[in-house]
Amino acid sequence: SQTIHQWPATLVQPVGSPLSLECTVEGTSNPNLYWYRQAAGRGLQLLFYSVGIGQISSEVPQNLSASRPQDRQFILSSKKLLLSDSGFYLCAWRRGQGSGANVLTFGAGSRLTVL
Amino acid sequence: RKEVEQDPGPFNVPEGATVAFNCTYSNSASQSFFWYRQDCRKEPKLLMSVYSSGNEDGRFTAQLNRASQYISLLIRDSKLSDSATYLCVVIENRGYQKVTFGTGTKLQVIP
Repeated sequence: SQTIHQWPATLVQPVGSPLSLECTVEGTSNPNLYWYRQAAGRGLQLLFYSVGIGQISSEVPQNLSASRPQDRQFILSSKKLLLSDSGFYLCAWRRGQGSGANVLTFGAGSRLTVL
Repeated sequence: RKEVEQDPGPFNVPEGATVAFNCTYSNSASQSFFWYRQDCRKEPKLLMSVYSSGNEDGRFTAQLNRASQYISLLIRDSKLSDSATYLCVVIENRGYQKVTFGTGTKLQVIP
């Protein structure tokens, strides 16, 4: 079966510090990968998606970046965090094609507080 | 107009009540539809897919109206454990198949 892991679960960072959130998927190959952010009391905002290694598309311009160095690894980064970067970051995957291709499965999330 | 719209609620209903949520979408090319459930401070989890003919899973019934571009979720005999935010999800039939979430409808089931 497929599983998705996301870490760290919680972090508190000062403004201007760097950020690295990691996400890995097991039990599948060539998944579509996504990073979403959810601000407190708000909906899900798509940040990045990737359909393959090294292929990253950005939905919203901001000080965040994403990378996919391996097929099942997706990393969200920032060089300098802003207060507005606080939120609940969710990694998600779904099959690129085949049965169940449309179902999106989320990791447990990373809760970031920027002070 | 937002791509996917939901009434944010909250819907406060007594135990045992029947409650219905609607979700409208703007892109007629949308292909797949889902309802997700999100508990407080947790990740969203798939509740059920929505099929054109309508589908039922226990106390939950989902329906799709392509002509009017909306989907619905009906919960019968509400339980306290149904309290959560319900997210409508639409996947478009283009390119990489963009996944769009509604902002969610909050349900609070009251004893």
